[in-house]
Amino acid sequence: DQQVKQNSPSLSVQEGRISILNCDYTNSMFDYFLWYKKYPAEGPTFLISISSIKDKNEDGRFTVFLNKSAKHLSLHIVPSQPGDSAVYFCAAIDRGASNTGKLIFGQGTTLQVKP
Amino acid sequence: ETGVTQSPTHLIKTRGQQVTLRCSSQSGHNTVSWYQQALGQGPQFIFQYYREEENGRGNFPPRFSGLQFPNYSSELNVNALELDDSALYLCASSISLDRAKETQYFGPGTRLLVL
Repeated sequence: DQQVKQNSPSLSVQEGRISILNCDYTNSMFDYFLWYKKYPAEGPTFLISISSIKDKNEDGRFTVFLNKSAKHLSLHIVPSQPGDSAVYFCAAIDRGASNTGKLIFGQGTTLQVKP
Repeated sequence: ETGVTQSPTHLIKTRGQQVTLRCSSQSGHNTVSWYQQALGQGPQFIFQYYREEENGRGNFPPRFSGLQFPNYSSELNVNALELDDSALYLCASSISLDRAKETQYFGPGTRLLVL
């Protein structure tokens, strides 16, 4: 039962254009979401997060949008750069009964930014 | 500030053997979580340690066990290795369980191959 889904395994965009990565979730109890970027042979790198009390959070070229009614979030990268080419993971925090900050990850989307 | 470090980087074991993976959390972080990432999948939560106590566990059998030490470094032990245990094992640390301080920062991972 996949509670966090990234339905697009891959995305290819031209340098300078916008990259939009999408993520859907099923559990309405999730209240904190994160995006991570992962290069081969490295661990995931934290990019940006958003609390469920907000609908937008921006950090430089990266903006995350949250639509709670649709249980959907998206990551916008503007402008896209070749160095952004990586696997992007969406994650939600599942607190559970013991306030465990357990991250539930999507399957990842591979972004390729072409020069 | 030193980030999360893990050792070893790569490991090859045979079925039935035991393995210990190590993680040093980021300075000032008292919470450590372990994840298993199979090829082509998002990381899966194994367990979390908070101030030397297990604070939540994912859907992994008891042969996966862990420890957290007073300096907040951590070990993941896997007994009776199976072929399906071949994966990237990721350690992540966070400042605490408190909301707004719970973003998890990952180490580079240990690649385990079971033959």
